[in-house]
Amino acid sequence: QVQLVQSGAEVKKPGASVKVSCKASGYIFTSNGITWVRQAPGQGLEWMGWISAYNGKTNYAQKLQGRVTMTRDTSTSTAYMELRSLRSDDTAIYYCSRDLGDWYDYWGQGTLVTVSS
Amino acid sequence: SSELTQDPAVSVAVGQTVRITCQGDSLRSYYANWYQQRPGQAPVLVMYTKNNRPSGIPDRFSGSSSGNTASLTITGAQAEDEADYYCNSRDSSGNYVVFGGGTKVTV
Repeated sequence: QVQLVQSGAEVKKPGASVKVSCKASGYIFTSNGITWVRQAPGQGLEWMGWISAYNGKTNYAQKLQGRVTMTRDTSTSTAYMELRSLRSDDTAIYYCSRDLGDWYDYWGQGTLVTVSS
Repeated sequence: SSELTQDPAVSVAVGQTVRITCQGDSLRSYYANWYQQRPGQAPVLVMYTKNNRPSGIPDRFSGSSSGNTASLTITGAQAEDEADYYCNSRDSSGNYVVFGGGTKVTV
C-alpha cells in the first residue's frame, strides 16, 4: 500500500532553517511528483510547491521563492523540503503528498514545525 | 486572500443534502479537486477533476462545475462527513496551484 512517512516535529529559532523528509513506499517513486502543503494553526491549506520525482524539476509558490528548496533522493525514495530564514509565521504543519496532476491522493502524516525564540 | 473562494461554513441535518462551492476565474479553464480534513488529521482526497471519486469514497459525494464555480455535493449527509472541505486548482496564471479557504461542514 502507498505510504508517505514524514520526519518528526521540529522546533527552530527565527532565522534558522528546517529540512523535512518524506519517505515514499508502495509505488514507483519516480512515477509521480511530490507536492508540499502547509497549514498554520487554525488556518487553511497552503500550496508550497512541487517536485518531479523523475527528474527533480521544481515549481515553488511565489511567496516562498528564494527561501524554499525541494529535492529528492531516488535511491531511498525520499523527498525533502528545506525552508530557510524561518519566521514565526512559518509555524505550521507541513505535509507531503503524492501528486497525480494537481490532485493529491496520498498524504504524509504531517510534520509540525514550530518557530519560536 | 485566495484566488478560490469558499463559504466559510455550512450546516446540514443528517440525511439531507449539502452543496459546497468553490469560485474562481481559473475554474473556467481548470478542474477543481476536493479534500476532506477532519480535526487533527491529514487531508483526504474525495473528488478529483470535477467528478471522479477515489476508491473508498462513498458515492454520496459528487462533483460538478459550471462557469467559474465548482461544487461538491453530499447527498444524504452522515455524521462522519462533518469536517473541513477544501478545493484546489490552478491560479489565474496557470503556473501555480492554489487552495480555497475551506468550508467547515457541520452535520
